[in-house]
Amino acid sequence: AQSVSQHNHHVILSEAASLELGCNYSYGGTVNLFWYVQYPGQHLQLLLKYFSGDPLVKGIKGFEAEFIKSKFSFNLRKPSVQWSDTAEYFCAVNANNAGNNRKLIWGLGTSLAVNP
Amino acid sequence: KAGVTQTPRYLIKTRGQQVTLSCSPISGHRSVSWYQQTPGQGLQFLFEYFSETQRNKGNFPGRFSGRQFSNSRSEMNVSTLELGDSALYLCASSRTGPRADEQFFGPGTRLTVL
Repeated sequence: AQSVSQHNHHVILSEAASLELGCNYSYGGTVNLFWYVQYPGQHLQLLLKYFSGDPLVKGIKGFEAEFIKSKFSFNLRKPSVQWSDTAEYFCAVNANNAGNNRKLIWGLGTSLAVNP
Repeated sequence: KAGVTQTPRYLIKTRGQQVTLSCSPISGHRSVSWYQQTPGQGLQFLFEYFSETQRNKGNFPGRFSGRQFSNSRSEMNVSTLELGDSALYLCASSRTGPRADEQFFGPGTRLTVL
């Protein structure tokens, strides 16, 4: 069965520190990859997505993610975090040629707290 | 453009009862997906509807059902509630589906089963 693993459940950083959140998935075929974010008191919203092409994708608010096919990974990065980046981050994966299996599989999320 | 709305926002029920949750997608969006979110299990996919047809289904028991109307509004129903059904139920809409499209999420319905 497909699965998505987010290695860090809770991350605490100081402002200006660099961020990398890990995301690995278990599916050998072609995938669509997403990172969603949920700020405190707000709805889940899309940060960035990868379907094909350049494996380094840029999203909103200075976030980027790199798809490394050989490592089945799609890690999220930001060079310098801000207090406003405090949120829960979710990685989601879809195997886009898995027949009837068209659903997104989600990681359990990483809670990021940025101290001012 | 109005966002995804869900009603009610909070619900308290007792075991054995049934509940219906409602979701109104963004205008023009034909795909509606439902998720159950709990601290231990994260987001788990319930089902997706597109043009009034259930297009995909997650691994939930038959007590969980849904439907979509011609105006794309969707409802989900849980019958014979169990304590473990306590969760945040999220609805998300997209133009063509969650696989290739950005999903827009609603605020969720917080269901508590006593």
